[in-house]
Amino acid sequence: SAVISQKPSRDICQRGTSLTIQCQVDSQVTMMFWYRQQPGQSLTLIATANQGSEATYESGFVIDKFPISRPNLTFSTLTVSNMSPEDSSIYLCSVDWGTDTQYFGPGTRLTVL
Amino acid sequence: EDQVTQSPEALRLQEGESSSLNCSYTVSGLRGLFWYRQDPGKGPEFLFTLYSAGEEKEKERLKATLTKKESFLHITAPKPEDSATYLCAVLRGSSNTGKLIFGQGTTLQVKP
Repeated sequence: SAVISQKPSRDICQRGTSLTIQCQVDSQVTMMFWYRQQPGQSLTLIATANQGSEATYESGFVIDKFPISRPNLTFSTLTVSNMSPEDSSIYLCSVDWGTDTQYFGPGTRLTVL
Repeated sequence: EDQVTQSPEALRLQEGESSSLNCSYTVSGLRGLFWYRQDPGKGPEFLFTLYSAGEEKEKERLKATLTKKESFLHITAPKPEDSATYLCAVLRGSSNTGKLIFGQGTTLQVKP
């Protein structure tokens, strides 16, 4: 089965800084997504990462705060910008090979001090 | 508004004690309903996809069923390793937008 990896697995950052999270898949995928899971909460979709074009953001999420890149069919990055403690969450990427079913990476646990 | 509600929030079972988890949904145009398992500190692990009312899927001790308003995840003779949070999610629409709407999850603890 395909492997989905994320880097870093966890990080502790100071407020006002930015962190870029990478998502790598070992085979080409149709769709890639980024989710946030706040402490004790379920998953919320941030955006769809579109290959070669701007990401599609969900209500409540903006490009200036969460810039996303997807340069090819196996890789995407999510940046959390100008962080505050409220950004402390687990950030997850997911992929869809065109079957409607999404498979998730292991997540990045972010703590902002 | 699309909504997914899971119950109970938490469930404690003795090993071998069968039970069911519920996922009630309100969505315009269900494209698919998904069950995931999430262990602490890990990403969700895919279990099942259900597409239409009456459909059933099985995997080891787990069986998922779907009606027009809800889905059940039946756990038969659970073992301690089945302890995890079980998430239900729905996808709507005639085309795949990819927007999964998740419930809050049911945290299952199975005691030996």
